[in-house]
Amino acid sequence: NAGVTQTPKFQVLKTGQSMTLQCAQDMNHEYMSWYRQDPGMGLRLIHYSVGAGITDQGEVPNGYNVSRSTTEDFPLRLLSAAPSQTSVYFCASSYSSSGANTGELFFGEGSRLTVL
Amino acid sequence: AQSVTQLDSHVSVSEGTPVLLRCNYSSSYSPSLFWYVQHPNKGLQLLLKYTSAATLVKGINGFEAEFKKSETSFHLTKPSAHMSDAAEYFCVVRENNYGQNFVFGPGTRLSVLP
Repeated sequence: NAGVTQTPKFQVLKTGQSMTLQCAQDMNHEYMSWYRQDPGMGLRLIHYSVGAGITDQGEVPNGYNVSRSTTEDFPLRLLSAAPSQTSVYFCASSYSSSGANTGELFFGEGSRLTVL
Repeated sequence: AQSVTQLDSHVSVSEGTPVLLRCNYSSSYSPSLFWYVQHPNKGLQLLLKYTSAATLVKGINGFEAEFKKSETSFHLTKPSAHMSDAAEYFCVVRENNYGQNFVFGPGTRLSVLP
């Protein structure tokens, strides 16, 4: 009963380095998303996907890339890390509906990233 | 486009007294509404959700919320606060329109005093 699995839980990078945050879900959810959480700013959407092969930008996409080659996986790539990307990152998934009774978001446990 | 306002950034109550966390939303379509709780250094956990069924929704740990369309509100309540309720609470809206995203309020930090 894994749900949404994020790795790594903690990471320290130097400015300019690249890395990938992994996210996998085993609930066959169509919708997957990445958020960053910063003090006093709630959760802000970085990128999202409504199905394999389909991705789109959220509120704060700059400096991040995503891909969705399978239903299960939705990795987030930092291309050239900057101190402003120091944050806690959450991956979340949901059943996607075209009508009423949409499902809730299921969250991973978070990844704390520090960029020096 | 949808948006969420949480009217209080911080609420402080005494243990055993009622809790009221306020949330107002705007939405162009019939929305789904959610409350999530986040304890320090933890992930987000769903407390309850409204998805166009009963307007009074009961959740986990004694919390409930009432959807009031005329007031565009979805306030979270609990009759008696417990120390373990101290956490950050997020109100979230999702429009029931394919491809629309979840929009989070800024959060309300609940402190429970002994």
